Amino acid sequence: AQSVTQPDIHITVSEGASLELRCNYSYGATPYLFWYVQSPGQGLQLLLKYFSGDTLVQGIKGFEAEFKRSQSSFNLRKPSVHWSDAAEYFCAVGARGNTDKLIFGTGTRLQVFP
Amino acid sequence: EPEVTQTPSHQVTQMGQEVILRCVPISNHLYFYWYRQILGQKVEFLVSFYNNEISEKSEIFDDQFSVERPDGSNFTLKIRSTKLEDSAMYFCASKVEGQGYNEQFFGPGTRLTVL
Repeated sequence: AQSVTQPDIHITVSEGASLELRCNYSYGATPYLFWYVQSPGQGLQLLLKYFSGDTLVQGIKGFEAEFKRSQSSFNLRKPSVHWSDAAEYFCAVGARGNTDKLIFGTGTRLQVFP
Repeated sequence: EPEVTQTPSHQVTQMGQEVILRCVPISNHLYFYWYRQILGQKVEFLVSFYNNEISEKSEIFDDQFSVERPDGSNFTLKIRSTKLEDSAMYFCASKVEGQGYNEQFFGPGTRLTVL
């Protein structure tokens, strides 16, 4: 069955520090992978996506993610975190088929200290 | 920039009441979705809708739920008789039709509180 695992429920970093949020997926074929960010009380904003090609993808707000097929991972990174990055981050896999529904992980809450 | 809109932003209802959550997808999009997020939990797929019919639904989407596109712009989710466990944030999403995989655009959500 398709699934997404985000092993870190809560991460705290200092402003300016580097960040890596982990995401592992289970999917039978080459997946479509996404990272979304959700600020408190807000909707879901797409940070970046991987469909094919270059395994290192760049997104908005200075984020990047690397697809590693051998590890079934799609970790999100940012070299220097800003206080405004504090939010909930969701990794998702797009299920290929009739509807292309998204399957989300449980999310990682990022807290940033000044 | 076009965006998905949802109304109301917050709905409070009594258990057993019917609620209708409304969404206006992006105008040239043809696939529509509802997802929900119970407080503190992950976002879960409920249903997808294409060509005026449900194309897929999850096990959550039981007979108490229905979706409709009543006109050319709105996409609604109806819960016939709400239960306490229906309290959640409900997100609408839409995407274009086209070859390959296309991004879903999400609305800001409707927070449903069932008392």
